[in-house]
Amino acid sequence: EAGVTQFPSHSVIEKGQTVTLRCDPISGHDNLYWYRRVMGKEIKFLLHFVKESKQDESGMPNNRFLAERTGGTYSTLKVQPAELEDSGVYFCASSPGTRETQYFGPGTRLLVL
Amino acid sequence: KNEVEQSPQNLTAQEGEFITINCSYSVGISALHWLQQHPGGGIVSLFMLSSGKKKHGRLIATINIQEKHSSLHITASHPRDSAVYICAVRSHSNYQLIWGAGTKLIIKP
Repeated sequence: EAGVTQFPSHSVIEKGQTVTLRCDPISGHDNLYWYRRVMGKEIKFLLHFVKESKQDESGMPNNRFLAERTGGTYSTLKVQPAELEDSGVYFCASSPGTRETQYFGPGTRLLVL
Repeated sequence: KNEVEQSPQNLTAQEGEFITINCSYSVGISALHWLQQHPGGGIVSLFMLSSGKKKHGRLIATINIQEKHSSLHITASHPRDSAVYICAVRSHSNYQLIWGAGTKLIIKP
């Protein structure tokens, strides 16, 4: 069974540009989560989808971040325009149910110059 | 003060030593996770606990709900155990994971 995959693995962009990160959850997992670790800090929750609906987006830092999960399969996280402080590692996880183990993707390393 | 505190931040030990990593939390939780992050960056879930103790191979995780404390133990440690070990709790009020800062473990041969 394929695990959670994320694309790209690395992205280097300039301040002001747009970047879109993609997460493909494990097939059949209704729950999809986005997290990020910025330099030197703990991993923080960004948002949680149940199927295509945003269950909790309280962790989204500001309106430059837009997450979608059309059709309830893969999800995208767009940062527009990117700022220097957005640099970090963005992780995606999925789980069958909300109370079950979350399975993590390898992360996308974003560097904004 | 973070809602999830881990200790120690860094731990270096010799191969074969018994390792203990601690996690304390200050919020009401429905579950606690121990996760492992290798130098390549990927995160692997080791345990999800809501009470008692779980064992998987050389890894043992315990939780004391009353004391809001959990420990991760590694027996007969090996250099391949070198990684960052992270404690994360799932809040009662929602399903967010609140993460500790991680413990960087290095096992020397």
